[in-house]
Amino acid sequence: QKEVEQDPGPLSVPEGAIVSLNCTYSNSAFQYFMWYRQYSRKGPELLMYTYSSGNKEDGRFTAQVDKSSKYISLFIRDSQPSDSATYLCAMSSNRDDKIIFGKGTRLHILP
Amino acid sequence: ETGVTQTPRHLVMGMTNKKSLKCEQHLGHNAMYWYKQSAKKPLELMFVYNFKEQTENNSVPSRFSPECPNSSHLFLHLHTLQPEDSALYLCASSQDRTILAKNIQYFGAGTRLSVL
Repeated sequence: QKEVEQDPGPLSVPEGAIVSLNCTYSNSAFQYFMWYRQYSRKGPELLMYTYSSGNKEDGRFTAQVDKSSKYISLFIRDSQPSDSATYLCAMSSNRDDKIIFGKGTRLHILP
Repeated sequence: ETGVTQTPRHLVMGMTNKKSLKCEQHLGHNAMYWYKQSAKKPLELMFVYNFKEQTENNSVPSRFSPECPNSSHLFLHLHTLQPEDSALYLCASSQDRTILAKNIQYFGAGTRLSVL
């Protein structure tokens, strides 16, 4: 079983829709959870960072962590064409400070 | 602009060439990283430097040779590469590798490498 699983997509949704992106993981020691956005021909850019379980909101973005299910989500409200990018989840633990990345989900917001 | 600058942005090299990738960060961070990003694969950590000392080498072939002269600069020297080494090479930096809360990594735009 891979440490972090993420559906590569592509995921196509109409402009204005709510987008849900997800990752599952197997290592119960993960405590730090991140979402990166990567536009074409650019490096990954940190979007959201959460510690342990719960929700975190930043503008149109909400990150959710469910440690009991080993499942994290990123919700994008009122999606815009400029949100079209690849979204990578990432996580790390206190025991091993290496950050493990998912493969990324390609998202297309259709105007 | 993330504060991490990589040059060149694109590089085409033959299998017998020697070239170097450069990374510079203006964030005052102490840890720097090289990653390889290939299509349909997760980011692969290659090397880690913390306070100029190499702390990790993830079984990377010797044809890749990192150099970190100071906390702001990181190089990746390339020689006798193979076509399968073609990928996007990303540099990242973080405040402190050893303190997880300060280990948020900021990435450069990458160097797109093609080996012919």
